[in-house]
Amino acid sequence: GAVVSQHPSRVICKSGTSVKIECRSLDFQATTMFWYRQFPKQSLMLMATSNEGSKATYEQGVEKDKFLINHASLTLSTLTVTSAHPEDSSFYICSARDIEGGTEAFFGQGTRLTVV
Amino acid sequence: KQEVTQIPAALSVPEGENLVLNCSFTDSAIYNLQWFRQDPGKGLTSLLLIQSSQREQTSGRLNASLDKSSGRSTLYIAASQPGDSATYLCAVGSGNTPLVFGKGTRLSVIA
Repeated sequence: GAVVSQHPSRVICKSGTSVKIECRSLDFQATTMFWYRQFPKQSLMLMATSNEGSKATYEQGVEKDKFLINHASLTLSTLTVTSAHPEDSSFYICSARDIEGGTEAFFGQGTRLTVV
Repeated sequence: KQEVTQIPAALSVPEGENLVLNCSFTDSAIYNLQWFRQDPGKGLTSLLLIQSSQREQTSGRLNASLDKSSGRSTLYIAASQPGDSATYLCAVGSGNTPLVFGKGTRLSVIA
């Protein structure tokens, strides 16, 4: 299957700093990527839909100024957690579908963010 | 709004048993349904994808069925092994919209 690479896999940062997470589709192009967040023992909750060349669409309750999403190309989307706080500590995971069709969603390996 | 429910939330079985995980969804207008496996602290591994026009998919010891009209899917695991221990997630997709996930079933296979 197609590969989605997410980096970094694990990051620890201090409160107040910003962290950038990258999501790349390695062997296919994606006009749309999705960002999810998962708290311990909870399911994946959609944060936002990242659209190539346009603004991201955020789910209700997700602060767009805090979670900055940039989808600069058909193979790269980034999520920046700005002014991180301990409550932002979570598992962040991205997903993409092939622009060529097929409806299967492919997921990155996830990023464990710990804010201290 | 689509809602996905997985039953049971947790399951513990002895090695070698066959088992069934259940998934139900409220809106039958789906394009596909995917079953994933997630190991603790890890990302998702796609197990099976069933298109809305299909009734089942098989991969090795895994068999997933889909009854779109009743809003149900099952994941059957044959001859379970300790290595099957993980959380199994069911997710439904509709076109280019994001997948909607259930809360998962935490499976523990005891040697």
